[in-house]
Amino acid sequence: DGGITQSPKYLFRKEGQNVTLSCEQNLNHDAMYWYRQDPGQGLRLIYYSQIVNDFQKGDIAEGYSVSREKKESFPLTVTSAQKNPTAFYLCASSIVPGQGYTDTQYFGPGTRLTVL
Amino acid sequence: AQSVTQLDSHVSVSEGTPVLLRCNYSSSYSPSLFWYVQHPNKGLQLLLKYTSAATLVKGINGFEAEFKKSETSFHLTKPSAHMSDAAEYFCVVKSNTGKLIFGQGTTLQVKP
Repeated sequence: DGGITQSPKYLFRKEGQNVTLSCEQNLNHDAMYWYRQDPGQGLRLIYYSQIVNDFQKGDIAEGYSVSREKKESFPLTVTSAQKNPTAFYLCASSIVPGQGYTDTQYFGPGTRLTVL
Repeated sequence: AQSVTQLDSHVSVSEGTPVLLRCNYSSSYSPSLFWYVQHPNKGLQLLLKYTSAATLVKGINGFEAEFKKSETSFHLTKPSAHMSDAAEYFCVVKSNTGKLIFGQGTTLQVKP
């Protein structure tokens, strides 16, 4: 099956701990994205990466970090510096925009993070 | 700058009746527009997209949307609602940098 997987589905963290959310895709997409979703709100972009070993901050990058060592993987670390980390986190991927191909973003199933 | 406004935060319909979810956009150029659906605790699934081809776009599960430039609207419709359509729906515009800009979402309730 082709698609995007995120793990774990539910994650609990104590205050002051860092935690890493996994995102893997086998769609051969160059671009990957991390979004945060809070109740009653649309998605907000945290980080994105258009190519291996390169990534850019989105609108709400503070308190988060990412890496892109492999094309298939784009893990997100929620650090203790993130003031309100409890949220639903969604990973997405697409063909790199601007290449003339459809660059629709396809989403994973999400990880719900709760800080205790 | 691009933006998108979903005019209703909550819509309730009876099963078998039409669905209308309203979306207005703001863009200084011809936009790419999308509708995504999200069922509880799930990721987003693409329903349909407009990319400057036909103004009436047909999507999955019987949904369609019409791009109206004069009204800057991209409303989502379906002739007959099913119980399985109950979900949250997001209207999305793609900015000229490729970034997706999401509306606040509309929760669709389908009553038996």
